Amino acid sequence: GQQLNQSPQSMFIQEGEDVSMNCTSSSIFNTWLWYKQDPGEGPVLLIALYKAGELTSNGRLTAQFGTTRKDSFLNISASIPSDVGIYFCAGQLGGGAQKLVFGQGTRLTINP
Amino acid sequence: NAGVTQTPKFQVLKTGQSMTLQCAQDMNHNSMYWYRQDPGMGLRLIYYSASEGTTDKGEVPNGYNVSRLNKREFSLRLESAAPSQTSVYFCASSVTGGSGNTIYFGEGSWLTVV
Repeated sequence: GQQLNQSPQSMFIQEGEDVSMNCTSSSIFNTWLWYKQDPGEGPVLLIALYKAGELTSNGRLTAQFGTTRKDSFLNISASIPSDVGIYFCAGQLGGGAQKLVFGQGTRLTINP
Repeated sequence: NAGVTQTPKFQVLKTGQSMTLQCAQDMNHNSMYWYRQDPGMGLRLIYYSASEGTTDKGEVPNGYNVSRLNKREFSLRLESAAPSQTSVYFCASSVTGGSGNTIYFGEGSWLTVV
C-alpha cells in the first residue's frame, strides 16, 4: 500500500536542541497532519495543514505544507524531555479519515 | 472524558487461538477504524466503519473480521491468530467523512502471538 517516506527514523539529541523531520510522497495531498505518540498511548494530533505553502505553529512546534503538495516538515525548537515520543506525519487527498496515509514515524529521544 | 476505549491492553495468544478486541467511543462519532502499528511501518488501516451498519476493508484486512455492534462499539476479531498478527492495534473514531484532524485514537492493544 501507499506509504509516506518519513525521515529520520530516529533521533538522539540533547535537551535544548532544535529538531527537524520531514515527510515526502510520490503523490500529492490536500491535507498534511502531524501526530505525536507518547509511550504506551495512541497518536494525538499536533498540527493540521490544509494549503500548499502553509506554515503553522503550535507552541514550540512549527509545521509546513510543502509547495509541491508532496512533502511536509515539522520543527521543534528548544526541545524538552516531554518531547520524547514518536512523531508521525499523515497525508490525505480528500475523502474521509479512512483515506489517511501514515509515515513510518520518527522516534525522538532526548538526553537531559 | 473517556474518548476511545479499547480492551484488552495486553494479550498473548497461541497460534490458532481466536480473540476479539473491543472498542467503544463516547463522542457520538459515526465513523470508526481499526489500525495496526508495526515497527517501521507506521499505521495501516485494517477495517473501518463509515457509519453504523456498514464495514469496509482497509489496506490489510486479511485474517481479521469486524463487527459494528452499534454506534458506540466496533470490535476486531482474529479467528485463527498467526505470529504475523503480533502488533499494536489502535481503534479510532471520527465524525462522518471527517479528515485526519477529527480522528481520535484509543490507547492501543499490544497483541503477541506465539
